[in-house]
Amino acid sequence: QVQLVESGGGLVKPGGSLRLSCAASGFTFRHYYMSWIRQAPGKGLEWVSYISSGDTTIYYADSVRGRFTISRDDGKNSLYLQMNSLRAEDTAVYYCARPDREYCTGGVCPIDHWGQGTLVTVSS
Amino acid sequence: QSVLTQPPSVSGAPGQRVTISCTGSSSNIGAGYDVNWYQQLPGSAPKLLIYDNSNRPSGVPGRFSGSKSGTSASLAITGLQAEDEADYYCQSYDSTLSGVFGGGTKLTVL
Repeated sequence: QVQLVESGGGLVKPGGSLRLSCAASGFTFRHYYMSWIRQAPGKGLEWVSYISSGDTTIYYADSVRGRFTISRDDGKNSLYLQMNSLRAEDTAVYYCARPDREYCTGGVCPIDHWGQGTLVTVSS
Repeated sequence: QSVLTQPPSVSGAPGQRVTISCTGSSSNIGAGYDVNWYQQLPGSAPKLLIYDNSNRPSGVPGRFSGSKSGTSASLAITGLQAEDEADYYCQSYDSTLSGVFGGGTKLTVL
């Protein structure tokens, strides 16, 4: 069955860096656009970034563009999010997410599989 | 400020029917993009509830239904049950080239 397992969250000081990972299994990872979606404590969902199969298309929300970098390693069935220059407002649970269809642009197709989330806390 | 607008909260007694609205614009729902709905229980990841405006994934009870018209969409829950108490989010795609969410609606079962 499909599994998405995030790791790498934790407490970091403002201005610091963190790298999130998502280990995927149970499906042909290289065929799917993959996304990072976050949720600040007590708040709603925000689409942070997505990356296409083949790395040809990458999207970043305005709130993270220039600070975050999404990448993937299809050989390791893994998705990553390098987060630099972290701010207090980046504090959130970060979810790795997969749409229900292959080769479907991030956000066009529904997300039918979510990881359990990893908490990132930015605080001094 | 979310791109899609939902009421912050709705409530209903067991057995009643409630609806949750989701209002977008001509750059997302009104542009013809489908609307999806997610249910999020406390401490859990969101779960797909309705996809492509009105379709239910297998395992989702028939009490849940969705519709879309113009720049808006709605989620209806009939025969409300205590276990339906959760946060509900609508989602679509926007011409800014990304998925977008509503701000979420907290459903309270009285």
